[in-house]
Amino acid sequence: EAQVTQNPRYLITVTGKKLTVTCSQNMNHEYMSWYRQDPGLGLRQIYYSMNVEVTDKGDVPEGYKVSRKEKRNFPLILESPSPNQTSLYFCASSSNRDRSNQPQHFGDGTRLSIL
Amino acid sequence: AQKITQTQPGMFVQEKEAVTLDCTYDTSDQSYGLFWYKQPSSGEMIFLIYQGSYDEQNATEGRYSLNFQKARKSANLVISASQLGDSAMYFCAMRGTSGSARQLTFGSGTQLTVLP
Repeated sequence: EAQVTQNPRYLITVTGKKLTVTCSQNMNHEYMSWYRQDPGLGLRQIYYSMNVEVTDKGDVPEGYKVSRKEKRNFPLILESPSPNQTSLYFCASSSNRDRSNQPQHFGDGTRLSIL
Repeated sequence: AQKITQTQPGMFVQEKEAVTLDCTYDTSDQSYGLFWYKQPSSGEMIFLIYQGSYDEQNATEGRYSLNFQKARKSANLVISASQLGDSAMYFCAMRGTSGSARQLTFGSGTQLTVLP
């Protein structure tokens, strides 16, 4: 089954404790992306990756890091989480990065609470 | 930069009636795609429908259709014969083809409630 898998689905942690949210897709997609969703703001892009070893900042990259060492994986790293990073996070992937008609496939989301 | 505007934070519709969710967009790209996603209370993002900027006909997918008016830069979602299971948050999004416009930009969403 084609899917995007995020882990963990839920996490409560404390300020300053490094955490990683993993994302894996089995569709051989070149393009992967991370979003955060906050009430009234919709989804905002954090980072995206056009292919292996190619990443770029989205609209709200501050406080986050990513890496793309393998095509299928795109982890999101919070080196020193703060309460303003409490949010619902989505990983997404799509193929044909140069075309605008490919819908992004989303993971089920990760709900992070930073105390 | 591209921008999506959804002006209806919440909408109510009676079961079996049709409803239109508004979406306007702004972009300098000549070629772009418009998408609608549904997010039920369980949280997952479900792709509903796509419209390309060069498509001459409005997209349809079952009970969903997209009323695309390019000159007015609008891409409204029409849901016919609403069902209780249609109650969800709906997001309009667009993706261009050049540079940073290739990222998917979302509107703030419309919460639809279908009344029995």
